[in-house]
Formats: sequence, C-alpha cells, structure tokens
Amino acid sequence: SQQGEEDPQALSIQEGENATMNCSYKTSINNLQWYRQNSGRGLVHLILIRSNEREKHSGRLRVTLDTSKKSSSLLITASRAADTASYFCTNTGNQFYFGTGTSLTVIP
Amino acid sequence: DAGITQSPRYKITETGRQVTLMCHQTWSHSYMFWYRQDLGHGLRLIYYSAAADITDKGEVPDGYVVSRSKTENFPLTLESATRSQTSVYFCATGGGAAQDTQYFGPGTRLTVL
Repeated sequence: SQQGEEDPQALSIQEGENATMNCSYKTSINNLQWYRQNSGRGLVHLILIRSNEREKHSGRLRVTLDTSKKSSSLLITASRAADTASYFCTNTGNQFYFGTGTSLTVIP
Repeated sequence: DAGITQSPRYKITETGRQVTLMCHQTWSHSYMFWYRQDLGHGLRLIYYSAAADITDKGEVPDGYVVSRSKTENFPLTLESATRSQTSVYFCATGGGAAQDTQYFGPGTRLTVL
C-alpha cells in the first residue's frame, strides 16, 4: 500500500506544549505534504517538503524528512487550543494517498 | 471569490437512487479530485481529472461516475446509491502538476438510507 501511516492516531496535550506526529510510507517518498483538518471542514495545506530537503519551517511548524527511513515528522511548537484538529500526510506521486491522520487535542 | 465550492452540503437519499454531487472552482486549476472520508479509512481517492475531458480512476472508483466537460466543474455521480456510499465527500483542486498542493472544498455529507 502506498498509504501513509500517521502515528500516533491520537494525541492530547496541554496548551503551550509541543506536539509531534509522524508519518511513514512503504514506498519511496517524493514530495511530502502535511495537511490539517478541523472538525467538519475540508483539509487545509500546511507545508510541503521536497525529497531533497531534510527540514523545513513555517511559523510554529517544523517538518523533517528522512528518505532513508521513509518517514517524516511534524512538530507544532507552543501549541494552542486552535491547533486542535486532525493532521494528515501525503506522499504525492501520480496518485494521492492520505492516511487516517493524527487527531490532536490541545487542552486550554 | 469562493475558490472551490461543493453542493449540496448535506444530502439524504435512498438506496438505488441516482445522486450527483457538484464541485465548482474559480481558480482554473488543472487538476480536480474526488475523495471520500470514512472513519477508520482516512481519505480515499475516488476519481481525479488532469484537465477537461481527462479523468482517471483512483483507489475506490466502483459505483461512481465522473465527467469534466469544463475546467471549472467536476461532478460526481452515484448511479445507484448504496448504503456503503454513506460518507463525507471532498472535492479538491490542484495546480499544473499532480504533485502540487491541493485545495479542498468544504465537503458534502451524504447519507444513503
């Protein structure tokens, strides 16, 4: 399966703490993207990391990519209640596969 | 400027009926996609289109039909709805390449009784 697997499936933290979630693939990674989905809404693109990049930052987001391990991680620093959402990764090739996501709950 | 819209937002239908979900974009993006989202399965690609009159199957195409006569519209039809097609359906657009960022619509919640 080319489906990405996010880990953990669910994560609950206190506001202000950091949240880390991981994504792994069985096939080779091309460009890897992370998306956020708030309850009842469509997915929103967060960040794209290319296969020749190892780390990328965007505001409070930090994404790393390890092509040898076929994995990526998303770190959200200084979390806020508004970060409560599900987070998905996708390895974009010719088709698009999303995993089941990591459900993040940030407790105020 | 709505970007990408889906209609209806909610739909209840009965087994065996034909249902069409609409997707419209104002960006002139080349790619358009239909996904379904179910608990425990994440998002699964149903069909996608690289341009007008070009469509291709995704992971779960059975029971669905798509067309794309105009760049801005990508309707999804359930020819004979089944209960297993109860789901939330998302349309998305993408730029000039399959690897580009996708922009998702708000979704259509479909219930088949």
